[in-house]
Parts: sequence; structure tokens; C-alpha cells
Amino acid sequence: KQEVTQIPAALSVPEGENLVLNCSFTDSAIYNLQWFRQDPGKGLTSLLLIQSSQREQTSGRLNASLDKSSGRSTLYIAASQPGDSATYLCAASGGGADGLTFGKGTHLIIQP
Amino acid sequence: ETGVTQTPRHLVMGMTNKKSLKCEQHLGHNAMYWYKQSAKKPLELMFVYNFKEQTENNSVPSRFSPECPNSSHLFLHLHTLQPEDSALYLCASSQDVQYSNQPQHFGDGTRLSIL
Repeated sequence: KQEVTQIPAALSVPEGENLVLNCSFTDSAIYNLQWFRQDPGKGLTSLLLIQSSQREQTSGRLNASLDKSSGRSTLYIAASQPGDSATYLCAASGGGADGLTFGKGTHLIIQP
Repeated sequence: ETGVTQTPRHLVMGMTNKKSLKCEQHLGHNAMYWYKQSAKKPLELMFVYNFKEQTENNSVPSRFSPECPNSSHLFLHLHTLQPEDSALYLCASSQDVQYSNQPQHFGDGTRLSIL
């Protein structure tokens, strides 16, 4: 059974810093790895999806990497802003009707 | 504005009540999902529907009963719930379960509290 772990559980940094969020998964037979953002009282917003054949994806200040062999993914946020404050969730897809297996998330606070 | 709409946003019910959660997607997707998000736990997949057919039931208790009358609508019927069922229930949709490299789009959820 796939298990996804996210480290750290919480992170607070000053505005402007670059930061890295970590995600690890136990079963390397994934179809893709997805990163989501969740704001308080809201649903999830898809940030990046990395297919199993890819090594990284970029969107604006966000860059996600994937190393299937080691079961790891990272989300790099450049030049952090207070608006980046949210919970960031990592999810592994087994493909087909398996849906997504989520980690517990990293609660990120960017101090103005 | 999200393409996935869930109603109600908040629901408080007693353990003997019967209620339903509704999800509607305006994205032309064919797959819909129910997830449960409890405090201190990861999101848990509950049900998957593809082209109105249920393709996954993730060992969910029978007090939760899903219904998918068409590809745009998904319901979760609730009866005789327990206090531990209090959680945020999230609905999501995607193009098709076979196109697994398309992201899932989530609604804002229904916050359910069982008294």
C-alpha cells in the first residue's frame, strides 16, 4: 500500500527566502506525482503534476522535481511571498481508478 | 471561480439524521471522486466514478452511499453517522480515470459535524 510522507509538517520563514518542501513515497510504481495548495476553509488547487517519465516541472516561482528510484519529490518555492502561506500537499497517483494517495501536508507561513 | 461546486458548505447533523452532500462539475469531465479530510490525517479516497460507473470503493462503511446520476453530478448520501465521521468531504473531478496525467480539480468541500 502506497504511503506518502511530507517533511516538515510546518515551516515559517521570512518573506523573500527560497524554500524547499519534501515529499517521499514508499512505492515507486507511480503514474505521476502532484503538488496541491490548500488555503484555510478551501479545497485543493493543483500546482504541478510531474509524470513518471519526467524529472521536473516548473510554473512561475515553483519548481517540482521527481526521483522515482529514491521515492522522493521536492517543491522549490523561489522568492517567497506572504500570499504563498497555505498548506502544501503532495499526492502520488497509481494510475487508473486508484485515485491519489496524499501526504499530511506542510503548513507554510511566510512572514511579511 | 471553481469548476467544481459543492453544497452545502457546512452541515451539522445528529447521528440518526439522513442528509446528502452534492457535487457538480462544469468542466466536462467524466471521472468524479469523493475524498475525506480529517484533522491530523491525510486525505483519504472514498469513491471513484468513471462515466457514471463506480470503479472504486475504498472500504468505506455502508452508512456512506454514493450516487452518480450523470457525469456532472455526484452525491454522497449519509445516514446513521458516527462522531468520527466529522470531517471535510471533498469532491474532485478529472477528464477520465484512464487519462491519469490530467490533474484532479477539487471543490471547496462540505464541513460535516456530527453531534
